[in-house]
Amino acid sequence: SQTIHQWPATLVQPVGSPLSLECTVEGTSNPNLYWYRQAAGRGLQLLFYSVGIGQISSEVPQNLSASRPQDRQFILSSKKLLLSDSGFYLCAWSLRGSAGYGYTFGSGTRLTVV
Amino acid sequence: ILNVEQSPQSLHVQEGDSTNFTCSFPSSNFYALHWYRWETAKSPEALFVMTLNGDEKKKGRISATLNTKEGYSYLYIKGSQPEDSATYLCASNTNAGKSTFGDGTTLTVKP
Repeated sequence: SQTIHQWPATLVQPVGSPLSLECTVEGTSNPNLYWYRQAAGRGLQLLFYSVGIGQISSEVPQNLSASRPQDRQFILSSKKLLLSDSGFYLCAWSLRGSAGYGYTFGSGTRLTVV
Repeated sequence: ILNVEQSPQSLHVQEGDSTNFTCSFPSSNFYALHWYRWETAKSPEALFVMTLNGDEKKKGRISATLNTKEGYSYLYIKGSQPEDSATYLCASNTNAGKSTFGDGTTLTVKP
């Protein structure tokens, strides 16, 4: 069966520090991968999605970046965190070429920038 | 409608009440509509996926309907229980496969 792992679960980082969140998927090949963020009191905002290794689409211009070095690995990064980067970050995957299928989400990372 | 919109934003009901909430989505280029249940401190879990106009899905006390021509879906909960308390998200997919999420309806069921 397919599983998705996301870590760390919580993170407290000072403003200006770097960030690296990692997500890996097991049990499937060629998944579509996504990074979402929920800011306080708001819904899910799509940050990045990827349909293959090295293929990243950015939805919202900001100081975050994403990379997909391997088929089932998706990394969210920042060189310098801002206070506004605080939020709950979710990684998700879906079957490529299956627009009718929903997403399976990771357990999330609660990021607090102080 | 350009975005996915959910209403109400929050809902407080008593145990045993039945309730429903709405998801509105763009009807052009529609491919699929998903409902998710998101409990606090957990990740969203899929409830239903619907693709055809007139679709109705049911899981226990929870059911959903879909109208793709007018661009809306209803989620119903019959006889709400405290364990139903969660945020219910809907997401609309175009045929490109990317989901656009609504902001969710947060349901609180009081014992």
